[in-house]
Amino acid sequence: GEDVEQSLFLSVREGDSSVINCTYTDSSSTYLYWYKQEPGAGLQLLTYIFSNMDMKQDQRLTVLLNKKDKHLSLRIADTQTGDSAIYFCAVRPNTGGFKTIFGAGTRLFVKA
Amino acid sequence: DAGVIQSPRHEVTEMGQEVTLRCKPISGHDYLFWYRQTMMRGLELLIYFNNNVPIDDSGMPEDRFSAKMPNASFSTLKIQPSEPRDSAVYFCASNPTGFSYEQYFGPGTRLTVT
Repeated sequence: GEDVEQSLFLSVREGDSSVINCTYTDSSSTYLYWYKQEPGAGLQLLTYIFSNMDMKQDQRLTVLLNKKDKHLSLRIADTQTGDSAIYFCAVRPNTGGFKTIFGAGTRLFVKA
Repeated sequence: DAGVIQSPRHEVTEMGQEVTLRCKPISGHDYLFWYRQTMMRGLELLIYFNNNVPIDDSGMPEDRFSAKMPNASFSTLKIQPSEPRDSAVYFCASNPTGFSYEQYFGPGTRLTVT
């Protein structure tokens, strides 16, 4: 089945850019998502991209999709301490019903 | 809309006891998902429903776990009997058909089984 992998930790300084990477296995994935989880809370959608797009920008967030390499990235510009959280990459394959497959999450630490 | 509502937010119980977790999805959402999150295993999909019907329960760990959705606005996840290894945060999520299929998560129920 679909597998989604991402690194577990990332540490950046406040004001720098953060880049969180993700790889997936199912090339039929139609929707690809980035969710954010703050301590003690549920996951919240940050942004998503359709598989026919290469890039999507939303304020400080930039999502890049390389379908050939099955690689998704999330760039956060001017990272703030409030961005410290766990970021989950998720994909929705075109097969297998209506499941969304989540990665293990990348814990972002922002140092002041 | 109040979002996905889960209760209780925290549950502490002794091994062997029955535990019932509750979820109210967002009105109009026809998909409902139950997830379990632990440090060791990350976020695991347990079961999901479409229009109150269970579609895929392959993630349910064992027969001690059961889930129901008697109507469009309510679902339960029951563990009987509970074991210490069931300790986790359990999330309910819902989404509507179509568009981006974004899932809306509840705040979770933190279950501790002693």
